[in-house]
Amino acid sequence: DAKTTQPTSMDCAEGRAANLPCNHSTISGNEYVYWYRQIHSQGPQYIIHGLKNNETNEMASLIITEDRKSSTLILPHATLRDTAVYYCIVRVESDSWGKLQFGAGTQVVVTP
Amino acid sequence: KAGVTQTPRYLIKTRGQQVTLSCSPISGHRSVSWYQQTPGQGLQFLFEYFSETQRNKGNFPGRFSGRQFSNSRSEMNVSTLELGDSALYLCASGPSGTVDTQYFGPGTRLTVL
Repeated sequence: DAKTTQPTSMDCAEGRAANLPCNHSTISGNEYVYWYRQIHSQGPQYIIHGLKNNETNEMASLIITEDRKSSTLILPHATLRDTAVYYCIVRVESDSWGKLQFGAGTQVVVTP
Repeated sequence: KAGVTQTPRYLIKTRGQQVTLSCSPISGHRSVSWYQQTPGQGLQFLFEYFSETQRNKGNFPGRFSGRQFSNSRSEMNVSTLELGDSALYLCASGPSGTVDTQYFGPGTRLTVL
């Protein structure tokens, strides 16, 4: 069974913030939330990850709710190049990446 | 630092042939994982190598094999190609494989005719 639930698709206007939700209601205390994105026919690109504190880097911000059952990836100023499939994954640090499933992700389309 | 590189980027083969794909991880990374991505099945794990040893294997037939060299470069081989093997094959590397984040290469697009 999928450990995360994401909307199938969402649109965002260029220049606006894109807020991508992810539900992970069965997350355990030692599981991190990771976000990757995949631009068409390219390899997935790491974006950000976090455990319980909000995280920010040059690409995005990750907001994790206090109960950790959901999170939101924020792209502060979406550009056309942010059009991609975004994957939310939960992972125990010690787990092999091979145990994970990327799921279907959210297709984000940024429009002019 | 250079990213993960994969060669070749595109490949066309016919049924029954075999193919070898190559992956060079980020410098200093010792873990390499391979994935197959198709429109119908999404991203599926093939195998993971660390320090020349296969650490995990996905649910693929024995026609799919891989290896890792002492310099951490990795190859995967698919023998007796089938039409269903047409896919984007992705390689990812990480410093040690479990704790660390994975970084993906651009992939090799394999078409089997």
